[in-house]
Amino acid sequence: KNQVEQSPQSLIILEGKNCTLQCNYTVSPFSNLRWYKQDTGRGPVSLTIMTFSENTKSNGRYTATLDADTKQSSLHITASQLSDSASYICVVSATGFQKLVFGTGTRLLVSP
Amino acid sequence: SAVISQKPSRDICQRGTSLTIQCQVDSQVTMMFWYRQQPGQSLTLIATANQGSEATYESGFVIDKFPISRPNLTFSTLTVSNMSPEDSSIYLCSVESSGDTNEQFFGPGTRLTVL
Repeated sequence: KNQVEQSPQSLIILEGKNCTLQCNYTVSPFSNLRWYKQDTGRGPVSLTIMTFSENTKSNGRYTATLDADTKQSSLHITASQLSDSASYICVVSATGFQKLVFGTGTRLLVSP
Repeated sequence: SAVISQKPSRDICQRGTSLTIQCQVDSQVTMMFWYRQQPGQSLTLIATANQGSEATYESGFVIDKFPISRPNLTFSTLTVSNMSPEDSSIYLCSVESSGDTNEQFFGPGTRLTVL
């Protein structure tokens, strides 16, 4: 069964600190993995997309890693800001299927 | 990237009524999708809106409850029919780019509360 699991479910960090969010997936055959940021009451916004051959991709203070062998990904946020408070959703796409598999998200709160 | 707008942004409705949500994209797209996000949950695909033909619904979603129109390549509507409090959710429109990674862009969502 195609599944995406994220941890932790929620996280509170102090402003300026770093954090890492985890994503494990069982989607096969793998096409690409995406990280989205969803602010409260808004639609998800894409942060990164990685294909099988990519093992790291950065977007400003966000750095995503992918280990296709262990089927794990992480999203590292550097020098967190209050505006980073949001849900972060890991989404995996399977080759040949239009349907995306969504994780349940990690809710991040950056505290001043 | 695609710029997507949705109307209304939020609404409070009485049970038994229907609400039509509009989705407008700033460019022509082939693939357009409707998602539901229940409180505290991740996104669930309702259906794929096909231009010129009937929408393709996912398991658990039916046309009578969620009729969808797609009159052209930039516009779609989703109607939530005969609403009940269980339909209280955020409804999101999404489009897929034509690039190699088939990136999906999401609209801002419509927050629906059914009393």
